[in-house]
Formats: sequence, structure tokens, C-alpha cells
Amino acid sequence: EIVLTQSPGTLSLSPGERATLSCRASQSVSSRFLAWYQQKPGQAPRLLMYGASTRATGIPDRFSGSGSGTDFTLTISRLEPEDFAVFYCHQYGTSPYTFGQGTKLEIK
Amino acid sequence: EVQLVESGGGVVRPGGSLRLTCAASGFVFGDHGMSWVRQVPGKGLEWVSGISWNGGSTSYADSVRGRFTISRDNSDNSLYLQMNSLRAEDTALYYCAREDLNYFVDYWGQGSLVTVSS
Repeated sequence: EIVLTQSPGTLSLSPGERATLSCRASQSVSSRFLAWYQQKPGQAPRLLMYGASTRATGIPDRFSGSGSGTDFTLTISRLEPEDFAVFYCHQYGTSPYTFGQGTKLEIK
Repeated sequence: EVQLVESGGGVVRPGGSLRLTCAASGFVFGDHGMSWVRQVPGKGLEWVSGISWNGGSTSYADSVRGRFTISRDNSDNSLYLQMNSLRAEDTALYYCAREDLNYFVDYWGQGSLVTVSS
């Protein structure tokens, strides 16, 4: 199975700063079938990005995704207070599908 | 509005069985693949199983293959997960999830808690 490793485990930033989250795959993710989700406490995950770089409906343009092959990045250009949460990358190109272990974005 | 409502969770002894149900509404259920994803409280997400739009193709995580069975009834807009030979490590919140036509999960239910304990 494809193992996704996210870094850092925890990211401490202030509102207005730029956040860069990394997701590295143990083998190439086919056709850029890579998605990102945001999860807040007590809530189900919310889709942010799919196809590595396409924003889901309603996601603000301060969120962007990039990457291909084995290295992917989620960038939040200017953090808003509501952005602090746990973020997961997910590959859906090769079965069994897998998730990264998550990056917690916390307020500094 | 897409709605996914899970039911059937509860407390079960190791070695026991449970059947989860997901009632779907707000979209054409038979057009979409569906998945189950689980999460141990306070931990990360784990994809468990997926099924194609017509039930003709299924897949499983290695951790549940041979013990869990995913199925669906498009006439009833329902998704199922039959869980047998349950283990303590299967304890988690189980989410029902809809797959977009391009295969990524775009909608999630609120989850059904399964606790395996003696």
C-alpha cells in the first residue's frame, strides 16, 4: 500500500502568516489522485482540494495545492482564525486508499 | 442537500459482529461509489473499504480484509458494512462517505461509534 507521511506533525503559526504542509508518498500517486481534508474537533472532515491542486466548492482561494509523483504541498497563504485544525492528505489512485497521519495547525 | 446518516454502532465483545448502515439522501445514490472510513477518537483517519456505483467492485484495507464486507442497495439508497470477528483495534468512529465521480470523497456522514470491549 502507499504510505503517506505528512510533515510537520504540528505547525504553530499566527493569523496572517503563511502555512506550508507537506505530504510525501512512498510511491508515485497515480494521476495526481491526491486530496486534502480539514478536520475540526467534533466534526467530520471537510474536502479542501482534489486532483492535488483543484479547490473544492466553496473553499477560499487562500488555500492552494501543488505537487505530483511523490511530493505534495498544501499552502494557506494568509491564515484566518477559522483555519486552525488538523489537515490530512489522502491518495485515492491506488487501492487500498490511504491517508496521511495528519498535521495539526495550531495558533501560536 | 447531500445527507449521509450512519446507524448500527454500539458495544460488542471481541469476536462478535455488527452491521453498520448508511442512509443516503439528497443525490442520486446509484451514480456514486461509496466508502467507509474510520477514526479512533483523537487519532487519524483510516480508509476501510469502498464499493463501486453498482456494487460490482469492492476493495478493503489489509486490516479488515476477510472480516468486513461492504455492500449496497441502490433501490433503498443504503450502504452497509458487515463487520465480523471484531477486535479491540476495530474500536473507532465509522464514517460513511460519498465518492465524487472522479473517486475522491466529497461528503461525509457524522459517524457511528463502534466499541469492541469485553
